[in-house]
Amino acid sequence: DIQMTQSPSSLSASVRDRVTITCRASQNINIYLNWYQQKAGKAPKLLIYAASSLQSGVPSRFSGSGSGTDFTLTISSLQPEDFATYYCQQSYSTPTFGQGTRLEIK
Amino acid sequence: QVHLVESGGGVVQPGRSLRLSCAASGIMFSGYGMHWVRQAPGKGLEWVAVIWYDGSNKYYADSVKGRFTISRDNSKSTLYLEMNSLRVEDTAVYYCARDPTYGAIVRMTFDLWGQGTIVTVSS
Repeated sequence: DIQMTQSPSSLSASVRDRVTITCRASQNINIYLNWYQQKAGKAPKLLIYAASSLQSGVPSRFSGSGSGTDFTLTISSLQPEDFATYYCQQSYSTPTFGQGTRLEIK
Repeated sequence: QVHLVESGGGVVQPGRSLRLSCAASGIMFSGYGMHWVRQAPGKGLEWVAVIWYDGSNKYYADSVKGRFTISRDNSKSTLYLEMNSLRVEDTAVYYCARDPTYGAIVRMTFDLWGQGTIVTVSS
């Protein structure tokens, strides 16, 4: 299986901050990388697919980049509703997720 | 409105069986691949199984292979997960999720999720 490693595991930030979360794959996955947001007690929500494509309805402050083994999710200006846990997931083969990054209010 | 609604979770003893259902509404269910994804308490997400839109292909995570069976009834717009020989480590919230591509090979991406159903395996 392809291993996905996110960093950091947790992050404290303030409203209007710019935040970047990284995800590294254990092998080349081209651009087969998705990002999800999960709020406490809720199902995950797809934010970004194919590394950089914004899912319909997702605010433009979310963006993704990368290819191969290294990827980033950037939130350009944090809003109160963005405090959640974020997961990367590779869709190159049998799906696997990163361990998650918990984004907390500073 | 587009909905996926899971049911069938509960408390079960190790070694026993359970069947989960996921009822879809507001989507052309028969055209989409469907997945089960689970999340153990306080842990991350783990993909469990996928079934093609027409049921022609099914794949499983190694952790459930040989014990779990994914199936679907397109006439009822319902997805199933038959879970046998349950283990304590199968305790999790089980989500059904839609693969986004209509009528084609699955993309292993999850664009629509249900609210989840809780399975607890305990003696």
